[in-house]
This record gives sequence, structure tokens and C-alpha cells, in this order.
Amino acid sequence: KNEVEQSPQNLTAQEGEFITINCSYSVGISALHWLQQHPGGGIVSLFMLSSGKKKHGRLIATINIQEKHSSLHITASHPRDSAVYICAVRDRGGGGADGLTFGKGTHLIIQP
Amino acid sequence: DTGVSQNPRHKITKRGQNVTFRCDPISEHNRLYWYRQTLGQGPEFLTYFQNEAQLEKSRLLSDRFSAERPKGSFSTLEIQRTEQGDSAMYLCASSPATNEKLFFGSGTQLSVL
Repeated sequence: KNEVEQSPQNLTAQEGEFITINCSYSVGISALHWLQQHPGGGIVSLFMLSSGKKKHGRLIATINIQEKHSSLHITASHPRDSAVYICAVRDRGGGGADGLTFGKGTHLIIQP
Repeated sequence: DTGVSQNPRHKITKRGQNVTFRCDPISEHNRLYWYRQTLGQGPEFLTYFQNEAQLEKSRLLSDRFSAERPKGSFSTLEIQRTEQGDSAMYLCASSPATNEKLFFGSGTQLSVL
């Protein structure tokens, strides 16, 4: 079973700061998801990636398959970015569960 | 595209009662997933369907839990003889295929008294 670790668990920053959230996993994967969860439970999928880098607006996600590590970056952070950011991985083949294994999330607060 | 819809949003029940939740995925998505999330934790995988076939069940899904997707469209998750430990947010997600982005519903918050 994959072990997914996120760091930091909590992060408070000032508006405008560059934010980095890290995710590491223990077993080879076929895909990694970055998700955003706002209070009240709604989850939005930000990225799904299996290699390299993806960018959407102020968000950038990178993954290093060899090092089993991914990062989510937020440039020019804004209070509306305040949320829990969750990393989730899908194990590579082998007949295991197709479901994702989730990290515990990083609680981000951006102060004005 | 109206997104993934879950009903009810909240459910309060007494220990020992049965509850059923419904998930309506995005219409063209053939994969449907159920997850459970407790406070301060990430979601945990429960089960998933490809069309009407239930392809995988987590060990978390005890005999009191059953899920169906009878016509490959909406899905139901039933919990029999609820226990206080079943209190959690139950999340449904759908995707068009494996290794595609997931689309989540708003969840059903279950409280077992």
C-alpha cells in the first residue's frame, strides 16, 4: 500500500507570497492528483499528472518520478487560495485497488 | 454538465438505523468512486465502479456497507446498523476513464448519534 506524506501540514503566509506544498509517496504510481478542498467539503481537482510539469493560472504542479515526489506551487498567493490541498496517488498496475491513496492534506491560510 | 450530485447533503441518524446515500455522476463518466473522510484526515477509498460493475472494494467496507450502480448511471451506498464510528463525510467522484481527472460531489455528511 502506498504511503503518501504531505508537508507542511499547516502553512500560514502573507498575500503575494510564493507557496510550495510537497508530497512524497513510497511506491511507484501511474498518476498523481492535486486536489483543493474548501470548508464545507467540496473538492476540486486541480491537476492530474504522471510526469513533468503542468501549469494552470497561478498554480504549477511538478512531479519527479525517480524521487517519488511532487510539489504544488502557488504564485502571487491570494486569500481566496486558502483551503486544504490534498495529494493523492494511484498505484501502478498489479491488480490492486484502482482507488486513490490520499495524503492528509496541507491546510493553507493566506492572510491579507 | 451539472457536475456530480450527492443526496442528501446531511444525514443525522440514530445508532442501529440504516441509511442510504445517492450519487449522480456526470452523465458520460463510466467510472464512479466512493470515499469516506473524517475530520482532519484525507479521504479514504471505499469502492469503485466501472459502468455497473463493482471492480474493487476496500477492506474499510465492512459487511454492513453495500454499494450498487444498477444501470451504470447513479449509485447508492447503504450502511446497515449504523455505528457512531460511521460518522464521516461520504464523497462520490466520477471520471471518464482511468487516470483521468476526478470530479467530486459535495459529499453527504453523516452523523450517527
